[in-house]
Amino acid sequence: NAGVMQNPRHLVRRRGQEARLRCSPMKGHSHVYWYRQLPEEGLKFMVYLQKENIIDESGMPKERFSAEFPKEGPSILRIQQVVRGDSAAYFCATSGQVNQPQHFGDGTRLSIL
Amino acid sequence: DQQVKQNSPSLSVQEGRISILNCDYTNSMFDYFLWYKKYPAEGPTFLISISSIKDKNEDGRFTVFLNKSAKHLSLHIVPSQPGDSAVYFCAASEGETQGAQKLVFGQGTRLTINP
Repeated sequence: NAGVMQNPRHLVRRRGQEARLRCSPMKGHSHVYWYRQLPEEGLKFMVYLQKENIIDESGMPKERFSAEFPKEGPSILRIQQVVRGDSAAYFCATSGQVNQPQHFGDGTRLSIL
Repeated sequence: DQQVKQNSPSLSVQEGRISILNCDYTNSMFDYFLWYKKYPAEGPTFLISISSIKDKNEDGRFTVFLNKSAKHLSLHIVPSQPGDSAVYFCAASEGETQGAQKLVFGQGTRLTINP
């Protein structure tokens, strides 16, 4: 999975704190997707962004979650006032062109105490 | 509402034999399908894909078969090798522009290759 960089790899937060997850796409990739994987489940789509624009956020919880992909810098998935149910692995995927498969980063494992 | 289903949570195959992983879908709007392989603590790695206009796509030891009428696809790995031991995810998207579409994933099948 070289190329799509996610950090941190592990993040521990207490209930009520904020979590910020970062994703740097592969060089030349402008499409960014965020997925969440709960234990023993498949990946679930959250949000799709292109530079500075949210294209599809149909998988995002209505509250506390937001995402951005600024003109400069990585894409950020932000979770405010975290709760225990937010504990999961969060994966970022990117693609360069619409007819290319998505390539995934190694994920951020979020644990809520 | 599980639109993509992998009904076998696990599969065990002897080294050198064929591994067959199955996937069913319910959404008739899906027309592009992908298989990803995932090792623990890593992200999914793209393996092979197939468009709905085809019924078979082959890449080395990996072949994907698509039966649109049955809404079923399968991944064949032959011969199976110990390094193939991983979790395999089936995924689908609406539209062939799969680089610009959200993917819907199955729950995964854990494949174990025994020496």
